[in-house]
Amino acid sequence: DQQVKQNSPSLSVQEGRISILNCDYTNSMFDYFLWYKKYPAEGPTFLISISSIKDKNEDGRFTVFLNKSAKHLSLHIVPSQPGDSAVYFCAAGSTINTDKLIFGTGTRLQVFP
Amino acid sequence: ETGVTQTPRHLVMGMTNKKSLKCEQHLGHNAMYWYKQSAKKPLELMFVYSLEERVENNSVPSRFSPECPNSSHLFLHLHTLQPEDSALYLCASSQAQGALAGVGTGELFFGEGSRLTVL
Repeated sequence: DQQVKQNSPSLSVQEGRISILNCDYTNSMFDYFLWYKKYPAEGPTFLISISSIKDKNEDGRFTVFLNKSAKHLSLHIVPSQPGDSAVYFCAAGSTINTDKLIFGTGTRLQVFP
Repeated sequence: ETGVTQTPRHLVMGMTNKKSLKCEQHLGHNAMYWYKQSAKKPLELMFVYSLEERVENNSVPSRFSPECPNSSHLFLHLHTLQPEDSALYLCASSQAQGALAGVGTGELFFGEGSRLTVL
């Protein structure tokens, strides 16, 4: 059973527009969520995180929104840039079991000029 | 060198071979991880070491054998693998036990991965 789901395998957005990447989770014990970005031939790199006590966290062009009742989070990138083209992984964890992060399957974002 | 480095970057092996993947972190972290990334599947946690002690073995077959001789080095020994074991193996590190405890960002630092092909 997949506890963290990214239902869109790919997304294509024009430069300057907003990119919205979505993630759903099933385990109500998750209380911490992270987004990682992965370029080809590189390991994932941390992008932004959010705790379940918040519903929004913003860092420059990146904003993560958390809707606990819907068990849904999203990553907004605005404005999108060609350098944002990468695979984005959503991950979730619980402070009760701190050794494990559960990752989604990733969404490939392509930002075209 | 800085960050998390993995060697080799690419490995092709037969099912009867014995090989090892190596990971080294230069971040002063005290927890290290092996993840497996297969096509169209989520990143799968395989092993967690904290303070050089294994704290998680995520139901991984015994043909994968981890070793953590010190807090900076992590190995994954491979023997009698199957073609379905072909994947990208990612090493990661973090400060404090686990990815979330005591840090605040829950940040894992990943290596570039070792692409394994089993023939």
